[in-house]
Amino acid sequence: DVKVTQSSRYLVKRTGEKVFLECVQDMDHENMFWYRQDPGLGLRLIYFSYDVKMKEKGDIPEGYSVSREKKERFSLILESASTNQTSMYLCASSHRSDRGSNEQFFGPGTRLTVL
Amino acid sequence: QQQVKQSPQSLIVQKGGISIINCAYENTAFDYFPWYQQFPGKGPALLIAIRPDVSEKKEGRFTISFNKSAKQFSLHIMDSQPGDSATYFCAASGYAGGTSYGKLTFGQGTILTVHP
Repeated sequence: DVKVTQSSRYLVKRTGEKVFLECVQDMDHENMFWYRQDPGLGLRLIYFSYDVKMKEKGDIPEGYSVSREKKERFSLILESASTNQTSMYLCASSHRSDRGSNEQFFGPGTRLTVL
Repeated sequence: QQQVKQSPQSLIVQKGGISIINCAYENTAFDYFPWYQQFPGKGPALLIAIRPDVSEKKEGRFTISFNKSAKQFSLHIMDSQPGDSATYFCAASGYAGGTSYGKLTFGQGTILTVHP
C-alpha cells in the first residue's frame, strides 16, 4: 500500500518561530510537492522537487523554503512563522513523467496554527 | 499565472440525484485533466482523469466531459450517494516545450453534500 506520511497532524506555533514540516514517501517517487490548502482557494503549490537536492518554486514560495537531502524525504521550512501562514499543508509525491500525467499521492496533511 | 476556475463552491444534492461540477482553464498547453476527491481528515486522492483527445471518460458513476474548444471540463456523479460527500478538486497539467515535472494547477474546490 503506497504511503505518504507527514510528521504531524496538528501543530501550534508562535509568531516568529522556525517551523519544520516533514514528509516521507515510500514509493521511490522522483517528484515531491508541498501545497497549502485554504477554503475557497483550493490547493496552491509552494515548492516542488524533482530530484534529490533539486527544488523549484511554485506559485506561493514567499516565506517558505524546502530541503530534499534524501529521495524519500521532503521538508518544508517556515523561516519565521506568521499568522497568515496558518493553513493546512499537504505533501504529495509522484513518479516523473515528461507528460505530467502521473498521479500524485497525498499525505493526510498538517494543520498548522500560528498564534 | 495559470488558472483553473471551478464552480460551484458548494453543492447540495439529494441521494440518487446527479452532481455536476464545472471547471474552466486558460492555458492551451494543458493536456491532462484529473479530478481529486478529498474526505475530511484525509489528503486528496485521484478519482478520474482525462486527456483532451477524448470528449468523455466514464468510470462507474463518475464521468468527465471535456470541451476542448470551450476550454471547459466537468465532473458528473450519477446516482449520488451520501458516501460521495467530500470536497472535489479539478486540476490541470501540461507543458509548453519543457518538462512539467507533473505540476498540477488546482481549482478552488467544491464541497459536495449528498443528503440521504
